[in-house]
Amino acid sequence: EAGVTQFPSHSVIEKGQTVTLRCDPISGHDNLYWYRRVMGKEIKFLLHFVKESKQDESGMPNNRFLAERTGGTYSTLKVQPAELEDSGVYFCASSQELGNEQFFGPGTRLTVL
Amino acid sequence: RKEVEQDPGPFNVPEGATVAFNCTYSNSASQSFFWYRQDCRKEPKLLMSVYSSGNEDGRFTAQLNRASQYISLLIRDSKLSDSATYLCVVMTNTPLVFGKGTRLSVIA
Repeated sequence: EAGVTQFPSHSVIEKGQTVTLRCDPISGHDNLYWYRRVMGKEIKFLLHFVKESKQDESGMPNNRFLAERTGGTYSTLKVQPAELEDSGVYFCASSQELGNEQFFGPGTRLTVL
Repeated sequence: RKEVEQDPGPFNVPEGATVAFNCTYSNSASQSFFWYRQDCRKEPKLLMSVYSSGNEDGRFTAQLNRASQYISLLIRDSKLSDSATYLCVVMTNTPLVFGKGTRLSVIA
């Protein structure tokens, strides 16, 4: 069974540019989560989808971040415009049911210069 | 105060040693508790869930003390392959809340 995949693995952009990260969850997993680790800090929750609906977006830092999950399959996280403090590793995770184990993707390492 | 606090380490131990990690959490409403393992530049992976009764998985033993809001992980007979960062993770509602992690290096 394929795990959670994320694309790209790395992205280097300049401040003010736009970047879109993609996550493909494990097939059949309705729950999809985005997390972020900023250097020197702990991994922090960004938001949670159940199918195509945003269940909890309390962790989204500001309105420069837009997450979508059209059709309830893969998800995208767009940062526009990117700022220096957005640099970090963005992890996606999925789970079959609420409360079940969350399986993490390999992450996208974002560097904003 | 951080929701989940861990000693960042690093813990440098010889092969075969026993090592213990501790973690405290601040939200008494937390419902589920886990230890995740993260290798360098990799994603976190679930090591084990933690229950009040304590649970063991091979060389790994996890314990939860709800009254003290304290979680522990004991690794016996450390192997070189145990070198990683160990993340204490708590779940109150849906999202996972992570500690910063404790780094372990097992030395030959």
